[in-house]
Amino acid sequence: GAVVSQHPSWVICKSGTSVKIECRSLDFQATTMFWYRQFPKQSLMLMATSNEGSKATYEQGVEKDKFLINHASLTLSTLTVTSAHPEDSSFYICSARGPLLETEAFFGQGTRLTVV
Amino acid sequence: AQSVSQHNHHVILSEAASLELGCNYSYGGTVNLFWYVQYPGQHLQLLLKYFSGDPLVKGIKGFEAEFIKSKFSFNLRKPSVQWSDTAEYFCAVNGADNAGNMLTFGGGTRLMVKP
Repeated sequence: GAVVSQHPSWVICKSGTSVKIECRSLDFQATTMFWYRQFPKQSLMLMATSNEGSKATYEQGVEKDKFLINHASLTLSTLTVTSAHPEDSSFYICSARGPLLETEAFFGQGTRLTVV
Repeated sequence: AQSVSQHNHHVILSEAASLELGCNYSYGGTVNLFWYVQYPGQHLQLLLKYFSGDPLVKGIKGFEAEFIKSKFSFNLRKPSVQWSDTAEYFCAVNGADNAGNMLTFGGGTRLMVKP
């Protein structure tokens, strides 16, 4: 199957700093990318959907100014957690899919963010 | 809005036991259905998917799922589990009429298989 690479796999940062997470589709053009957050012992919650070249669509309750998403090319989307706080500590996962209705979404390996 | 419900949050089985994990969804149109597995310390992997055609779908590692449209269900089954099947399993759905439609996940079922 197609490969989605997410980087970094884990990051520790201080409160108040910003962290950027990258999501790359390595062998296909990802017209749509999704960012999820997974809380401990809970399911994945969709944060936002981004289409290449346009603004991301955020789910209700997700602060767009705090979680900045950029989908500048067909192979790269970034999530920047701005002014991080300890409650932002979580597991963030991206997924990407191509333009066809029949394609599934492929997932990155996730990024564990710890804010201290 | 679409939603997915997985009824079993935790399942403990002995090796060679049969497995069935429930998944029900709600959506007003045609759906695509998926089961993903997350092994400890690893990323989500697709087990199987249903887009159209035969409602009995066979996936990797001996898993299968049956789409019953009248019941809005897509239960995952395996006739004989192994210790290596210990993982968390997620059912997911998206609308088939929009390629940009996001996946909605169920709450997940944590399976532990005792050797």
